[in-house]
Parts: sequence; structure tokens; C-alpha cells
Amino acid sequence: DQQVKQNSPSLSVQEGRISILNCDYTNSMFDYFLWYKKYPAEGPTFLISISSIKDKNEDGRFTVFLNKSAKHLSLHIVPSQPGDSAVYFCAATPDNYGQNFVFGPGTRLSVLP
Amino acid sequence: EAQVTQNPRYLITVTGKKLTVTCSQNMNHEYMSWYRQDPGLGLRQIYYSMNVEVTDKGDVPEGYKVSRKEKRNFPLILESPSPNQTSLYFCASSLWDPNTEAFFGQGTRLTVV
Repeated sequence: DQQVKQNSPSLSVQEGRISILNCDYTNSMFDYFLWYKKYPAEGPTFLISISSIKDKNEDGRFTVFLNKSAKHLSLHIVPSQPGDSAVYFCAATPDNYGQNFVFGPGTRLSVLP
Repeated sequence: EAQVTQNPRYLITVTGKKLTVTCSQNMNHEYMSWYRQDPGLGLRQIYYSMNVEVTDKGDVPEGYKVSRKEKRNFPLILESPSPNQTSLYFCASSLWDPNTEAFFGQGTRLTVV
């Protein structure tokens, strides 16, 4: 049973509009969440993270929102650019479990020019 | 330049022929891990190492071995590869601090026939 779920395998958005990628988790012990971006033929690269003591974290065009009661987080990209087209992975870990992240299956984002 | 280097990038082998995928990092990170990526399943952790001579199983360790004789290197060993180990493999390194991101290698695409 997957502890981190990304129920949309793919998403298409027009350039300049908002992209919203969703992630749900089942383990209430998860305390730290990250988003990674992956281009074809490359390894995942870190995008943004959020600790459970916060409900929002912003970094430029990227904002992550965390709703602990709903066990849900989302990544907002505003405005979306064609270079954002990639697979996005949500990852989570309990704070006392070091770097043993559990990854979701990923969402492929396509930003159309 | 800070990086995680995996070799080879692509490998086709036959069932039962032992192989090693190397991983090296130049960031003096304590923590290193191996993941495999399969369609619809995201990244699943195979093995991890918290420091030299300290390794432990991840979620899918069957059929794999690792070693951590030096801090910078963390090879993945398949003693007797089988077709179900055909996958995309990623090595990652990070500080042990859970509130930091992991750096990933570029991946090794392994095909076992």
C-alpha cells in the first residue's frame, strides 16, 4: 500500500497559467516533505520542502502548501513555463528517520506554449 | 562542482551474471542510498548507509547487496541479476540531517535479459 500518493499521473497546463500538483499521504508520522523535479535522462533534483510546523513555503514561482489534518500537500507553480515540463515527485519522511524518504509515483507536467 | 556520479549509465546483461553499479559523491555526505524507479511506483529505496561500514535495508532489498568501505563510494551489487531487476537505478547522497535535500546521480538504466 503506497504511503505517498500522487493520483494524477499527468497534467497539462497552458504557459503562464497556474500548475497545481497534489500529493496525499497516509502515515501520520511523516514530518518533512519535499518536491523533486525530474527531467528525462537526469536524476531528480530538489525543488522545495516544507516542515510540518509550517503550512506554506514559498520559493520564487514555487509554493508548497501543507494541510496536516487532511494529510495533503500541493505544489503551485505560478506562472508555469515550458521549462517546468518534467515529472514531479512528492516525498515524505518522519522527522526522526533521517533521510529515508518515501516517494510518490510522480506526476508528469506538460506546460504548453 | 558538487555531484553524485554513477557508472555505467546504461547496462544490458544476462540473467545470473554478477554486476556492480558504482556511485561516488564529492560532498563529504554521511548518508547515501540507492533507489529504483519503476513506472507507477515512483522511487523505492533499496539500501541506505548512514556512514562508513553502516548499511541497512530499505523497502526493496531482495537481490541486492551494498558496501560502504569509504565515505565517498557506495556501490550496488547484483550477485545474480534477474529480469525483474530491470529498472532505472538512482544513487543519492545527503547530510544525515532530515531537514535537508538529497542529491541524486544521473541514473543507471539496467536491462536484464
